[in-house]
Amino acid sequence: QKEVEQDPGPLSVPEGAIVSLNCTYSNSAFQYFMWYRQYSRKGPELLMYTYSSGNKEDGRFTAQVDKSSKYISLFIRDSQPSDSATYLCAALYGNKLVFGAGTILRVKS
Amino acid sequence: EAGVAQSPRYKIIEKRQSVAFWCNPISGHATLYWYQQILGQGPKLLIQFQNNGVVDDSQLPKDRFSAERLKGVDSTLKIQPAKLEDSAVYLCASSPRIRTGFNNEQFFGPGTRLTVL
Repeated sequence: QKEVEQDPGPLSVPEGAIVSLNCTYSNSAFQYFMWYRQYSRKGPELLMYTYSSGNKEDGRFTAQVDKSSKYISLFIRDSQPSDSATYLCAALYGNKLVFGAGTILRVKS
Repeated sequence: EAGVAQSPRYKIIEKRQSVAFWCNPISGHATLYWYQQILGQGPKLLIQFQNNGVVDDSQLPKDRFSAERLKGVDSTLKIQPAKLEDSAVYLCASSPRIRTGFNNEQFFGPGTRLTVL
């Protein structure tokens, strides 16, 4: 079993839609949970992170962690074509950063 | 501030050949990471350096992969001999602080795309 599981998609939505991206994890030791965005032929860039359970909002993006169910979510409101990318969830404990497989998102104009 | 630099950006080799990748981290960053990202998968950590010492190389296939970080700055990752399954993007990342926890954000380079034929 992978430590962080993520549906690879692809997910295709119309411009302006609300997007929901999800991951599950198995290791209770994980303390920090991140979302990275990766454009084609680029390295991942950090989008948001949360510590333990709870919500965090940044503009059109909301990250949510439920440690009781080991569930990680990212919501994108008013999605734009520029949001088209691969979204990677990741979890951290100590120095160990474990990534999900990434979900390919396409926002159609 | 300049980002993490990697070269070459692309490399095509035959199986059993050797190849080397180079990484220049962000200036002053103490920690350097090499990841392997196979198509359709998330990055997998191969090796982590703290200054010029190895912190974690538990997932590095040591029979064919080697890495070094001279003088705690630039790093090279080598594969010898390459196998077909080594085809992947090799990402280098660096982070500014030695201590753990989320203050240690990792900044990624653009990666080197390796194709082994």
